[in-house]
Amino acid sequence: QVQLVQSGAEVKKVGASVKVSCRASGYTFTSYGITWVRQAPGQGLEWMGWISVYNGDTDYAQKLQGRVTMTTDTSTRTVYMELRSLRSDDTAVYYCARGLAQWEPSDYWGQGTLVTVSS
Amino acid sequence: QLVLTQSPSASASLGASVNLTCSLSSGHYSYTVAWHQQQPEKGPRYLMKVNSDGSHNKGDGIPDRFSGSSSGAERYLTISSLQSEDEADYYCQAWGRVFGGGTTLTVL
Repeated sequence: QVQLVQSGAEVKKVGASVKVSCRASGYTFTSYGITWVRQAPGQGLEWMGWISVYNGDTDYAQKLQGRVTMTTDTSTRTVYMELRSLRSDDTAVYYCARGLAQWEPSDYWGQGTLVTVSS
Repeated sequence: QLVLTQSPSASASLGASVNLTCSLSSGHYSYTVAWHQQQPEKGPRYLMKVNSDGSHNKGDGIPDRFSGSSSGAERYLTISSLQSEDEADYYCQAWGRVFGGGTTLTVL
């Protein structure tokens, strides 16, 4: 069965970086892309960006340009999302989700990774 | 600019049916919309995608109680025979990157 398993919770200081992983199983890894979505406490879902596992192409949300990098390692079936220069309003649960293409719906979600940014 | 609009809240009685609505902004009425359910303290779960012609494709294991339909700018999620576990936030998504604000469904 399709599974996306994310790395564990992180606590970071303002200005630091965080790297969250998303390990995929149960499907042909290179046939799908991965979307990253975050959810601040009590808030809705915010799209962060998308990466093609097939060729590494990325598409990032404008508000995160320059601070976010998404990468993929096909040997370990893992996708990574790194967010730099963390601010307190980056505190959120971060989700990875699978999609056939960047314009397609996300049809499987990871369990989420809580990132807490403190001063 | 693509914008998805959802009512912040909805409620219905146990065993009843409820329709949740996702409205597409002008110029985007042909877009396919996906529906996701987020139960309290859990991550989102994909329910289905609803096309502009009203056809829908459900995710794996989604009960028959969940269905989708479409009319013009609106995409609907219908839940029948409401159960307590249907109490959740429901989000619509379009073009992979745009989410509605979510609807909190209360089962009375």
